[in-house]
Amino acid sequence: AQSVTQLDSHVSVSEGTPVLLRCNYSSSYSPSLFWYVQHPNKGLQLLLKYTSAATLVKGINGFEAEFKKSETSFHLTKPSAHMSDAAEYFCVVSDPRGYNKLIFGAGTRLAVHP
Amino acid sequence: GAGVSQSPSNKVTEKGKDVELRCDPISGHTALYWYRQSLGQGLEFLIYFQGNSAPDKSGLPSDRFSAERTGGSVSTLTIQRTQQEDSAVYLCASSSSTGGTGELFFGEGSRLTVL
Repeated sequence: AQSVTQLDSHVSVSEGTPVLLRCNYSSSYSPSLFWYVQHPNKGLQLLLKYTSAATLVKGINGFEAEFKKSETSFHLTKPSAHMSDAAEYFCVVSDPRGYNKLIFGAGTRLAVHP
Repeated sequence: GAGVSQSPSNKVTEKGKDVELRCDPISGHTALYWYRQSLGQGLEFLIYFQGNSAPDKSGLPSDRFSAERTGGSVSTLTIQRTQQEDSAVYLCASSSSTGGTGELFFGEGSRLTVL
């Protein structure tokens, strides 16, 4: 069975500093992994996805994530935070053997301070 | 419309009443999902529809919950005899992919409050 753990429920950074949102997964098979973002009162939007191609995945708005099988991690990073990055971020795992049933982590709320 | 549309955006009901939540997916998307997002928690999978196949209902929390998808398009999630613990945001998503690698497109959700 698949599961995903987001290690921080809240992260606070200053504008212009790096962002690190941590995610560990558990999967019996080579998983597909995603990061979704949810801005206040908005629907979820896909940031990036890993599907067994390059282990370093680049997404929208300058975000990227690295798949590390040995550490079962898929941490999300951004070199320089912007105020507009403040949102809830979800790490997601999917079993590529089957249909597109996504298992969501509990979410990390990112706050960006001026 | 261009995106997934959900209605109502907000619903307040009294305990014991039935509610219906509607989802209109992106045109041409064969896959449709319902998720529930409770305060401070991640998204909980409820049900999945794919074309004319039997839906995966494994995430429905009780027999008070049901969903249907008519004509392979619009879906309705029905909650009977609502309870206070049913209060949450109900999210619908659609996808053009049948595999585990595709992107889901989410609506903005229906916020249900049970008094």
